Amino acid sequence: EAGVTQSPTHLIKTRGQQVTLRCSPISGHTSVYWYQQALGLGLQFLLWYDEGEERNRGNFPPRFSGRQFPNYSSELNVNALELEDSALYLCASSLGLAVGRDEQFFGPGTRLTVL
Amino acid sequence: SQQGEEDPQALSIQEGENATMNCSYKTSINNLQWYRQNSGRGLVHLILIRSNEREKHSGRLRVTLDTSKKSSSLLITASRAADTASYFCATVSGGTSYGKLTFGQGTILTVHP
Repeated sequence: EAGVTQSPTHLIKTRGQQVTLRCSPISGHTSVYWYQQALGLGLQFLLWYDEGEERNRGNFPPRFSGRQFPNYSSELNVNALELEDSALYLCASSLGLAVGRDEQFFGPGTRLTVL
Repeated sequence: SQQGEEDPQALSIQEGENATMNCSYKTSINNLQWYRQNSGRGLVHLILIRSNEREKHSGRLRVTLDTSKKSSSLLITASRAADTASYFCATVSGGTSYGKLTFGQGTILTVHP
């Protein structure tokens, strides 16, 4: 069974640009989560989508946004990139609210560098 | 914000020894999960323990949970060089925090062959 996949693996952008990161959950999982792991700040929760709806959001500015598609894949968009957005962005999936299963399984991450 | 604190921040042991990592958290939880991360890559889910459970085992892993002390421990027995990684505890709470994992700062484990 395939795990969570993310694309791209690495990305280099400049300040002010916009970026889109993509995530495909494990087959059968309906919940997708996004986390940021920045140097010195640890793993921070960004967003949670379940059945196409945003269910929870972390303490990040509105320029961080996302969506979940009918096939449960998800995109994370970051507008007006800042240097401090440089981080590893991790996507995770789980079986979702309806099943009440909380184990989250992570993808390999997208390494974003903002110059 | 980080929910928990992990102790120690770094642990260095010899192959075959046991490794114990501790995690403390601040608010009531639904469950606590342990993850491993190798060299800044994705997280690997190790084990989940629910708030009404006190101990769980999975292979060489043993996790305990003491909700009265708001703490958990992860024991890796008979460690191997391949266990070298960062280990994180993460909690899931209810209410407005439902669904999200709140991570500790992690313990860096080095197992010397």
